[in-house]
Amino acid sequence: GIQVEQSPPDLILQEGANSTLRCNFSDSVNNLQWFHQNPWGQLINLFYIPSGTKQNGRLSATTVATERYSLLYISSSQTTDSGVYFCAVEKGGTASKLTFGTGTRLQVTL
Amino acid sequence: EAGVTQFPSHSVIEKGQTVTLRCDPISGHDNLYWYRRVMGKEIKFLLHFVKESKQDESGMPNNRFLAERTGGTYSTLKVQPAELEDSGVYFCASSQVKAVTQYFGPGTRLTVL
Repeated sequence: GIQVEQSPPDLILQEGANSTLRCNFSDSVNNLQWFHQNPWGQLINLFYIPSGTKQNGRLSATTVATERYSLLYISSSQTTDSGVYFCAVEKGGTASKLTFGTGTRLQVTL
Repeated sequence: EAGVTQFPSHSVIEKGQTVTLRCDPISGHDNLYWYRRVMGKEIKFLLHFVKESKQDESGMPNNRFLAERTGGTYSTLKVQPAELEDSGVYFCASSQVKAVTQYFGPGTRLTVL
């Protein structure tokens, strides 16, 4: 099956710093989503981005489908950004299962 | 519009007991998925319903797990008997027909002692 790798596995930032999280995938995909799992365990949709670039406030994401990677940028990080960030891809037909990466655990300190 | 809801939010049971998790998808979403995250590892797919039919159950770990979606609305996931390695967070997600974005519920944290 498709492999999804995320880096770095762990990241500690001071509040206000910027960061880039990376997601590599081993095959072409027709869906890629970024999620944030907050400290309470909830999975929050951040982006649906199989290709191109999107921005939402302090977050933005870019997927280069031909090179099989996606980047999530967090600018001016805040303590509420802490948690685990997951990338997930779907290779099959529309509305099939998502394959998740191992996640990047982010801790933002004061 | 209400999101995906799951019940209970947390369950603690003894090894060998039975637990039933419930998921209510977003109204009108025919696709319903179960995933789980165990031992701090990645989130893994369990199965996919389209309405009341099982479209893909390739991720179900063994026959101790039984998922149902009677009437194509809410779904239940029963674990019987529960084992220690079943501990983790069980997520439910839903999406519209032919849609690509899956919306996740808050999860049920299952602890098997």
